[in-house]
Amino acid sequence: DQQVKQNSPSLSVQEGRISILNCDYTNSMFDYFLWYKKYPAEGPTFLISISSIKDKNEDGRFTVFLNKSAKHLSLHIVPSQPGDSAVYFCAANVEDDKIIFGKGTRLHILP
Amino acid sequence: DAGVIQSPRHEVTEMGQEVTLRCKPISGHDYLFWYRQTMMRGLELLIYFNNNVPIDDSGMPEDRFSAKMPNASFSTLKIQPSEPRDSAVYFCASSNRVGYTFGSGTRLTVV
Repeated sequence: DQQVKQNSPSLSVQEGRISILNCDYTNSMFDYFLWYKKYPAEGPTFLISISSIKDKNEDGRFTVFLNKSAKHLSLHIVPSQPGDSAVYFCAANVEDDKIIFGKGTRLHILP
Repeated sequence: DAGVIQSPRHEVTEMGQEVTLRCKPISGHDYLFWYRQTMMRGLELLIYFNNNVPIDDSGMPEDRFSAKMPNASFSTLKIQPSEPRDSAVYFCASSNRVGYTFGSGTRLTVV
């Protein structure tokens, strides 16, 4: 049973527009959420995170929003750039050091 | 620092053969994780170690899978005997509680 769900396998967005990647979770005990980015033939790399006590965290073009009542978080990228084309994994921290990942969403930035 | 180093990068083997994947974590990281990536299930945590001791192996799919960490600088994931459904990308990651760093992965193909 997937505790972290990314229901969109892929997403295409025009360069310069906003990309919104969504993630749902089932475990209300998660205390930290993370987004990782993965290019082909490379391992995932950390992008941005948010604590469960916050509802927004911003880092440059990347913003993560958390809606605890809906058990939903989203990653906003604005403006989208060609280098943002990658697979994005939503993840949650359930214990001190174990992270559970979703299936990923492949983002295509169109020229 | 060279990061997390995995070998081999690619492995093609015949069904029934033993496969050993290797990982060298970042020096000073006391946690090591093995993940498997497939299209169907995304990134699954197989097992993780803290200070060379296995903490949680509940994600290991079957008894055919085993992992060891004989010292702080080396870990192996072994599949014996291998089956076609084991074909996936296997990632190793290490952590010092500040963040995860992934290796580039081993793409395993069992024919």
